[in-house]
Amino acid sequence: DAGVTQSPTHLIKTRGQQVTLRCSPISGHKSVSWYQQVLGQGPQFIFQYYEKEERGRGNFPDRFSARQFPNYSSELNVNALLLGDSALYLCASSLQTGGDGQFFGPGTRLTVL
Amino acid sequence: RKEVEQDPGPFNVPEGATVAFNCTYSNSASQSFFWYRQDCRKEPKLLMSVYSSGNEDGRFTAQLNRASQYISLLIRDSKLSDSATYLCVVNSLNDYKLSFGAGTTVTVRA
Repeated sequence: DAGVTQSPTHLIKTRGQQVTLRCSPISGHKSVSWYQQVLGQGPQFIFQYYEKEERGRGNFPDRFSARQFPNYSSELNVNALLLGDSALYLCASSLQTGGDGQFFGPGTRLTVL
Repeated sequence: RKEVEQDPGPFNVPEGATVAFNCTYSNSASQSFFWYRQDCRKEPKLLMSVYSSGNEDGRFTAQLNRASQYISLLIRDSKLSDSATYLCVVNSLNDYKLSFGAGTTVTVRA
């Protein structure tokens, strides 16, 4: 079975631009969570979606938004990029909402110049 | 105060050695505890869940001390392939997120 997939794998943007990251969960998983991992730190929670509804939001500015589609795939959008947004963006899928049983995708490495 | 704190290391050990490290968590309502492993520039992968009674998975032993709010991981008979960053992770009941520590780096040398 395929695991969590994310696209693109790498991305380079400049300050002020907008970016969209994509995630496809494991088949049968209805929940998708997004995390940001800055170099040298652990992943930080951004959003969780379950059945197309936002179920949780971390301490990130409104420049960050996300959505989940009927097929449970998800997009993370970041507007007005800052240098500090450079990070590995991880998507995790799980059967249910909540923190247990989350499986991570390979991530999208975003570099903001 | 960070939700989850870990000794960053690095722990540099020879093959065959035993290495152990802890993490502490601040939220007494935390209910689920995990150790994830992360290789350089890769995604975190679940190593093991941590149960109140402690648990083993091969060469890996995890312990939970709720009274002192810390979790430990012990690796016996270290292999070169154990070189990685180990992330301590906690989750609270009805909480949507996993809270990660910054990770403990372990390097096993030949």
